[in-house]
Amino acid sequence: AQSVTQPDIHITVSEGASLELRCNYSYGATPYLFWYVQSPGQGLQLLLKYFSGDTLVQGIKGFEAEFKRSQSSFNLRKPSVHWSDAAEYFCAVGGSNDMRFGAGTRLTVKP
Amino acid sequence: DTEVTQTPKHLVMGMTNKKSLKCEQHMGHRAMYWYKQKAKKPPELMFVYSYEKLSINESVPSRFSPECPNSSLLNLHLHALQPEDSALYLCASSASPLSGTFGVGEQFFGPGTRLTVL
Repeated sequence: AQSVTQPDIHITVSEGASLELRCNYSYGATPYLFWYVQSPGQGLQLLLKYFSGDTLVQGIKGFEAEFKRSQSSFNLRKPSVHWSDAAEYFCAVGGSNDMRFGAGTRLTVKP
Repeated sequence: DTEVTQTPKHLVMGMTNKKSLKCEQHMGHRAMYWYKQKAKKPPELMFVYSYEKLSINESVPSRFSPECPNSSLLNLHLHALQPEDSALYLCASSASPLSGTFGVGEQFFGPGTRLTVL
């Protein structure tokens, strides 16, 4: 069965610092992978997705993620964090009919 | 139009009330979903509609009753809810449902309805 693990429940970074959020998945075939962001009390916004092809994926708001099959990982990165990036980040595996979310990582940005 | 809308934004109801949540999309998507999200938790899938037919019910109690009147609309009818049903209810849609397998379409989420059951 497919599953997603986000090892970090909460991460705090300083504004302007780089960011990496970890995501590991378990799936028997080539997975479809997603990163979503959720601000408090809001819905989920898609940051980026990986289906196939280039393993380095560019998304919105300056985010990127790299698919590493050998490590079953799909980590999210941003070179310089802005205060507005403070939110909950969810990694997900799946697609149209069945989306499995990780537990989420809450990002706090220090001034 | 690339958004999913949900009404109302907030809803407070008693345990004996009957209310409905509404979700709408005009992207031509043929799959629509209801999720329940408790605080500090990921969304949990409740129902999936594919081509206006219920295709997945994740063992949701019968006090939640979904309805898909047409390809753009999805309702969730609520009756005799419990305080533990208080949560953020999210609607989502995707372009291409593939029953039993993963499709290639991501899900687009609405802003949610914050439900409080007293």
